Amino acid sequence: KQEVTQIPAALSVPEGENLVLNCSFTDSAIYNLQWFRQDPGKGLTSLLLIQSSQREQTSGRLNASLDKSSGRSTLYIAASQPGDSATYLCAVRPGMGRRALTFGSGTRLQVQP
Amino acid sequence: DVKVTQSSRYLVKRTGEKVFLECVQDMDHENMFWYRQDPGLGLRLIYFSYDVKMKEKGDIPEGYSVSREKKERFSLILESASTNQTSMYLCASSSGHPQETQYFGPGTRLLVL
Repeated sequence: KQEVTQIPAALSVPEGENLVLNCSFTDSAIYNLQWFRQDPGKGLTSLLLIQSSQREQTSGRLNASLDKSSGRSTLYIAASQPGDSATYLCAVRPGMGRRALTFGSGTRLQVQP
Repeated sequence: DVKVTQSSRYLVKRTGEKVFLECVQDMDHENMFWYRQDPGLGLRLIYFSYDVKMKEKGDIPEGYSVSREKKERFSLILESASTNQTSMYLCASSSGHPQETQYFGPGTRLLVL
């Protein structure tokens, strides 16, 4: 059974710092991996989606990498801002046969002004 | 923009009550999902539906049922609410395209007393 782990569970950084969030998964036979953002009491917003054949995706200050063979992904946030404060969730789609996602429990990020 | 709406943001129910959570999407998506989110456990899949009247159990279906009579609407039913069903419930939808992400509603926070 696929398991997704995110480390650290919480992170507090000063504004302007570059940071890395980590995600690992136990079964490398994935179809894609996604990073989501969740603000307190709200739903999830998709940030980046990486197909299994890709190594990375970029959107603005965000860069996500995928190393499928080692079961790892990182989300890099450049020049962090207080508005980046949220919980970041990693999720994998295990394969074509399963359409639902398997989620990690998230990293709660606080960026101090 | 894709819009996924959930009928209630907050609900308070008594043990033993029958509870209906409604989800509507406006993008003609084939797939719809119900997850619950609990601290430290991440999102866990309860049920999903890949077409009208079609459904599949997720990882934690016990105590829940679902209904999809129309393509845009997916209902989650708690037949007899229990305190351990107190949680945040998130609905999501996606197209059949394998490269597309899931779009989430704002969530319903359910408290069962």
